[in-house]
Amino acid sequence: TQLLEQSPQFLSIQEGENLTVYCNSSSVFSSLQWYRQEPGEGPVLLVTVVTGGEVKKLKRLTFQFGDARKDSSLHITAAQPGDTGLYLCAGVPGNTGKLIFGQGTTLQVKP
Amino acid sequence: ETGVTQSPTHLIKTRGQQVTLRCSSQSGHNTVSWYQQALGQGPQFIFQYYREEENGRGNFPPRFSGLQFPNYSSELNVNALELDDSALYLCASSFYWSYEQYFGPGTRLTVT
Repeated sequence: TQLLEQSPQFLSIQEGENLTVYCNSSSVFSSLQWYRQEPGEGPVLLVTVVTGGEVKKLKRLTFQFGDARKDSSLHITAAQPGDTGLYLCAGVPGNTGKLIFGQGTTLQVKP
Repeated sequence: ETGVTQSPTHLIKTRGQQVTLRCSSQSGHNTVSWYQQALGQGPQFIFQYYREEENGRGNFPPRFSGLQFPNYSSELNVNALELDDSALYLCASSFYWSYEQYFGPGTRLTVT
């Protein structure tokens, strides 16, 4: 059972298109993080969302934390080939103290 | 500021052998975590070390063990390697009070 479900698992789009990646759970999280991983490298932290309903922007990337703190989304505007990579959400459910990751969304942006 | 480094980059071992992977944490960080990542999947938490002691463990058998040294560097040891242990092993460092992880580039382990 995957505590953090990401959708879609794979996305292939053309440069300039918009997209949204979802991260859902039945558990409440004190915070959620988003990472991006390129082939042959470790994940790189993009953002941490902490407050229910919070929206954070990082250039063309917009991150939102659900009001109930059980889900999050990542929206990319006008995707570019440099956005290609594996996008991962992660969080600590309840009082487990263990950081868990979603299975990831592989994004391919074609020029 | 020095980032997280891992060695070796790639490793090929035979089933039944033992392996040691090494990690140097980012300067200023006092906590090290290890993850196993299968191709195209998210990392799976193996364990975390703080103050040279294990501080949390995921669903991995005892043949996965680790060490943290006074300079906060760390080792991951895997005994009796199995074919399913083939994966990318990631080390991440952080401050104890934060779950924000700073990852190294990983060690690609292949077990034949």
